[in-house]
Amino acid sequence: EAAVTQSPRSKVAVTGGKVTLSCHQTNNHDYMYWYRQDTGHGLRLIHYSYVADSTEKGDIPDGYKASRPSQENFSLILELASLSQTAVYFCASSDWGGGDTQYFGPGTRLLVL
Amino acid sequence: GDSVTQMQGQVTLSEDDFLFINCTYSTTWYPTLFWYVQYPGEGPQLLLKVTTANNKGISRGFEATYDKRTTSFHLQKASVQESDSAVYYCVLGSGTGNTRKLIFGLGTTLQVQP
Repeated sequence: EAAVTQSPRSKVAVTGGKVTLSCHQTNNHDYMYWYRQDTGHGLRLIHYSYVADSTEKGDIPDGYKASRPSQENFSLILELASLSQTAVYFCASSDWGGGDTQYFGPGTRLLVL
Repeated sequence: GDSVTQMQGQVTLSEDDFLFINCTYSTTWYPTLFWYVQYPGEGPQLLLKVTTANNKGISRGFEATYDKRTTSFHLQKASVQESDSAVYYCVLGSGTGNTRKLIFGLGTTLQVQP
């Protein structure tokens, strides 16, 4: 059973529109993360959370918001989507922070036109 | 700040060739180091993990040793197969407490030709 799932798996959005990417984990992990993947940049951390109802900024948070309404769910919100946000987005979970293994979802491919 | 460097963007080998992927890191703390692998259409998954306690990780025929003197964490495999074609990321566990996170290298795309 897939322990980290993401929805949608792909999306086409218009510039200036609102986009919400969702992530659900069944690992019972405290930590959840959102990354974006771009050619030439590897994976970069956008937001993360270590407890429900609280989120933290990662390395590239500008233009993104995050929401963690429960331990299992973590959303990434693009209030005003821009062309530069076209990328593949990955959600991950871990039992504790950076020294622990992270388990990734399958990714969401976002195209902003 | 903490960082990871992978210089090889792409490596092309034939089956049964020896694989060596360079990785160097920089951190002021005791490092936890990982190699993650990403197959086409999937998210990254852990290949192996090494801490200062064990120095060496082995998984699925891959091996990586942490060298504090040279701050290196190279990935090796004696004989690659076509199924090993994927992107390999060198990753450093960084920070302390609740701010700990993973820092990914840029990745090395391995293509193994039959």
